[in-house]
Amino acid sequence: ILNVEQSPQSLHVQEGDSTNFTCSFPSSNFYALHWYRWETAKSPEALFVMTLNGDEKKKGRISATLNTKEGYSYLYIKGSQPEDSATYLCALKGGATNKLIFGTGTLLAVQP
Amino acid sequence: DAGVTQSPTHLIKTRGQQVTLRCSPKSGHDTVSWYQQALGQGPQFIFQYYEEEERQRGNFPDRFSGHQFPNYSSELNVNALLLGDSALYLCASSWWTGTKNTEAFFGQGTRLTVV
Repeated sequence: ILNVEQSPQSLHVQEGDSTNFTCSFPSSNFYALHWYRWETAKSPEALFVMTLNGDEKKKGRISATLNTKEGYSYLYIKGSQPEDSATYLCALKGGATNKLIFGTGTLLAVQP
Repeated sequence: DAGVTQSPTHLIKTRGQQVTLRCSPKSGHDTVSWYQQALGQGPQFIFQYYEEEERQRGNFPDRFSGHQFPNYSSELNVNALLLGDSALYLCASSWWTGTKNTEAFFGQGTRLTVV
């Protein structure tokens, strides 16, 4: 059974702080790693899809790295803003289908 | 583009009853997956439909069944509801390409409460 773990479970930061979260997954049978951002009462929104070891992707103040050999991905937010407050989920795609195996998420609260 | 739409948004059912949840995929998508998110957990994969057939199934009992229609929309049916079925049910749509970087688009979910 593939298990995806995220840490920390929750994080409270001040506006302007930079922060990062970790997603850990089994390094065997890796296919792709997805990051989603999920604001309350909205749909989960895809941030990144990462497939290659060493991948680095960036969208505005948010960036992510991937290490498939050791089985982890980091998500970084530079200069957090209150609108960044959300749950950040990572999901492993372990095969050629579109099935995603999710972690439990990191809840980020950014205080003004 | 309306994106992925789910109905209803909220639902309250009694133990033992049956429920049907509906999903319309994003325009152009042909694959629909269903996920259950219980409190404090990440979304758990229920099953996936493509070409009106169930293609993959997660660790859920036969009480959970589904259907996909020719227009790619989908239904999730749960029979003999249990209190433990109370959860947020998410629908995700995508292309059946089998490529690594296919992202899934999610609806806002249906909150099911079983009393």
